[in-house]
Amino acid sequence: EAQVTQNPRYLITVTGKKLTVTCSQNMNHEYMSWYRQDPGLGLRQIYYSMNVEVTDKGDVPEGYKVSRKEKRNFPLILESPSPNQTSLYFCASRTITGQGNYEQYFGPGTRLTVT
Amino acid sequence: DAKTTQPPSMDCAEGRAANLPCNHSTISGNEYVYWYRQIHSQGPQYIIHGLKNNETNEMASLIITEDRKSSTLILPHATLRDTAVYYCIVRATSYDKVIFGPGTSLSVIP
Repeated sequence: EAQVTQNPRYLITVTGKKLTVTCSQNMNHEYMSWYRQDPGLGLRQIYYSMNVEVTDKGDVPEGYKVSRKEKRNFPLILESPSPNQTSLYFCASRTITGQGNYEQYFGPGTRLTVT
Repeated sequence: DAKTTQPPSMDCAEGRAANLPCNHSTISGNEYVYWYRQIHSQGPQYIIHGLKNNETNEMASLIITEDRKSSTLILPHATLRDTAVYYCIVRATSYDKVIFGPGTSLSVIP
């Protein structure tokens, strides 16, 4: 089954304690992306990657890091989490080849609370 | 990317057709219209997309006006499970960022 998986699904942590949210896709997609969703602000892109070893900032990259060492994985790293990073996070992937059909597949989400 | 405008909320009676409008008056000739929906904090789900012709799949129909400045997503027989936030997005190339606006919150009422 084609899917994007994220772990953990729920996480409560304390300020400053480094954490990693993993994302993996099994569709051989080139493009992967991280979003955060906050009430009233909608979905905002944090980082994206067009392929292995190619990453770029989205709209709200401050406080986050990513890496793309393998095509299927795109972990989101919070080196020193702060309460304003409490949010619902989504990973997504899609192909970048072909013509017009760039359906994005989203993971189930990770709800992060930083106290 | 072209900006889209959608009503913030709509109601629809169960079993009726839900017609969700989207304005994209600055759309470029090579930009596609995509629709996604998000059911209560789940990951957004792709519904349908089109360029200029009307499109239909097992989930919905997409009607794009001839001037391409607006479109309508049609859920032919809405069920309670169609209650969700619906996002209309325009994008051209595979390299374009996907920008999600606030969407339309659709409530299907029994």
